[in-house]
Amino acid sequence: EVQLVESGGGLVQPGRSLRLACVASGFTFDDYGMHWVRQAPGKGLEWVSGISWNSGSTDYADSVKGRFTISRDNAKNSLYLQMNSLRAEDTAFYYCAKAQGDVYYYFYMDVWGKGTTVTVSS
Amino acid sequence: EIVLTQSPGTLSLSPGERATLSCRTSQSVSSSYLAWYQQKPGQAPRLLIYGASSRATGIPDRFSGIGSGTDFTLTISRVEPEDFAVYYCQQYGSTPITFGQGTRLEIK
Repeated sequence: EVQLVESGGGLVQPGRSLRLACVASGFTFDDYGMHWVRQAPGKGLEWVSGISWNSGSTDYADSVKGRFTISRDNAKNSLYLQMNSLRAEDTAFYYCAKAQGDVYYYFYMDVWGKGTTVTVSS
Repeated sequence: EIVLTQSPGTLSLSPGERATLSCRTSQSVSSSYLAWYQQKPGQAPRLLIYGASSRATGIPDRFSGIGSGTDFTLTISRVEPEDFAVYYCQQYGSTPITFGQGTRLEIK
């Protein structure tokens, strides 16, 4: 069964850091691009970041550029999101999603994890 | 950035009725790069349609998509009780990848 399982969410103070992880199973992880997508409480979906199969290409939403870093470890079938300088507006449910192709653009998101909650509050 | 505008914001229908959801983009999007997702409360989004008109694996044929340029439509031919949810369109042909704000399909 194709599966993505996120972890690492929690309550964090503004200005602090958090690292999310997503473990993949049921498919050849290093063949596919990956994404992080978030959803603030009661709001719509917002693309956060994407990474190609070999980490050769990454991109970010303007709202997180310079603060968040996406990475992956293909040997561990894992995707990461390092979130620094967190703000209240980063409070959201964070999903990892698989691209149906080797890069994160030009391919739709065909598999989603169940997500992990990040709350930024003092 | 390509902005996607979905309408209506909320669609109230009875089971068995036809649902028509619209997605307009601020710039032309190749139909190859337009997708639709369904999200139910407390669940992750689920891919319904990709390439504007191709159904994802396991998606019933009452769901169909069409469109080109800046105008795209998702149609549910006869709404079933399990179809009441929020629907999002997405363009993935250029970064930043963007989503519409969603259309809520609710029971009338």
